[in-house]
Amino acid sequence: QVQLQESGPGLVKPLDTLSLTCIVSGDSVSSDYWSWIRQAPGRGLEWLGFIYNSATTSYNPYLNRRVTISVDASKNHCSLNLSFVTAADTAVYYCARGEYNWNDWGQGVLVTVSS
Amino acid sequence: DIVMTQSPDSLSLSLGERATINCKSSQSVLLSSKNKNYLAWYQQKPGQPPKLLISWASTREYGVPDRFSGSGSGTDFTLTISNLQAEDVAVYYCHQYYSTFFTFGPGTKVEIK
Repeated sequence: QVQLQESGPGLVKPLDTLSLTCIVSGDSVSSDYWSWIRQAPGRGLEWLGFIYNSATTSYNPYLNRRVTISVDASKNHCSLNLSFVTAADTAVYYCARGEYNWNDWGQGVLVTVSS
Repeated sequence: DIVMTQSPDSLSLSLGERATINCKSSQSVLLSSKNKNYLAWYQQKPGQPPKLLISWASTREYGVPDRFSGSGSGTDFTLTISNLQAEDVAVYYCHQYYSTFFTFGPGTKVEIK
């Protein structure tokens, strides 16, 4: 059974880069789709993007090319980088397995953008 | 972009009643060549990640109670919870994956009266 666990700093300064890791067990990050979704406090869900087969990516066009998703096969991790963050990027960030119809999710990590 | 709307914003019902949640997409999410609606429903309880209930508009996921059902096609969809239980208190989201830019509805909060 696949398990996903997000990790990363809970506080990021404005204009810095938010970097999160999704630690995967029970599956290989080199295959399948790995997605990132976020949820601002008290708000709805927002799809950020996915990576497939370690190389093919698709991103939310409204993030203005600030987002990058990658995998590290040696560590079996999937990573999310979001640059030039503002308070509007404060959210719980989830990783999930699959392109869509996500059955497997991490528990999420709250990232606050504040100086 | 495909914009998803949901109604109502919230719902307060008694145990055992039927909950009906509507979802509308700004354009069709039906892929005619496959006769599939690229529409899913998620349930989210406080402090938890979303849980996939229904995919392809009407296919219940493994282990999801049969009191949950999905219907609709094209641009108009419905999630029905028959015989509402206390554990169904949650926010429900519809989600389209027809376009390469995936979007969600704003959510419908279901409470027990």
